[in-house]
Amino acid sequence: DGGITQSPKYLFRKEGQNVTLSCEQNLNHDAMYWYRQDPGQGLRLIYYSQIVNDFQKGDIAEGYSVSREKKESFPLTVTSAQKNPTAFYLCASTLRGGGSTEAFFGQGTRLTVV
Amino acid sequence: AQSVSQHNHHVILSEAASLELGCNYSYGGTVNLFWYVQYPGQHLQLLLKYFSGDPLVKGIKGFEAEFIKSKFSFNLRKPSVQWSDTAEYFCAVKGGYNKLIFGAGTRLAVHP
Repeated sequence: DGGITQSPKYLFRKEGQNVTLSCEQNLNHDAMYWYRQDPGQGLRLIYYSQIVNDFQKGDIAEGYSVSREKKESFPLTVTSAQKNPTAFYLCASTLRGGGSTEAFFGQGTRLTVV
Repeated sequence: AQSVSQHNHHVILSEAASLELGCNYSYGGTVNLFWYVQYPGQHLQLLLKYFSGDPLVKGIKGFEAEFIKSKFSFNLRKPSVQWSDTAEYFCAVKGGYNKLIFGAGTRLAVHP
């Protein structure tokens, strides 16, 4: 079945450490997105990528980094520069344009800084 | 800049009441508009979407939304809510460069 897989489901990080969240899709979608979900703030866009080897900052990119070396993969690194990393992180993908361009979401990764 | 504003953060209704959730967006170009729902403990799923054509869009579970271009609005409606509609609802707009932006969400609680 096609879909988006995020791993791990739960992640604990010590302060000062970098961690990488995985996002893989087999939907053959061109565009991929990373969002952070906090209570009362909805989904805030961290980074997005329209095609391989290209990505753009979203509204809250500081303290995060991404790569897009393969079409199906869009890993997110939460660096030690991110002041408040504890949150729920969602990955999504869509077709690039035309046709049905709704976003499909992964199940999310809950990151906790300990 | 592209943005989405949802007016109601929390809505409490009794079963059978009518629902309207407001959504306004800011983007000058062609937009695709979406409403997503997140039931407790579940991942986001699409309720309905607008790309072009008829501005009144019907979605799943009896929901509909109307795109009013002159008002930059895409309000979600349901004539009669059920307890099972208790969830968080997100409006989203997809504009230039495939950028997909969500609103802050509206938590709906439906009491039997």
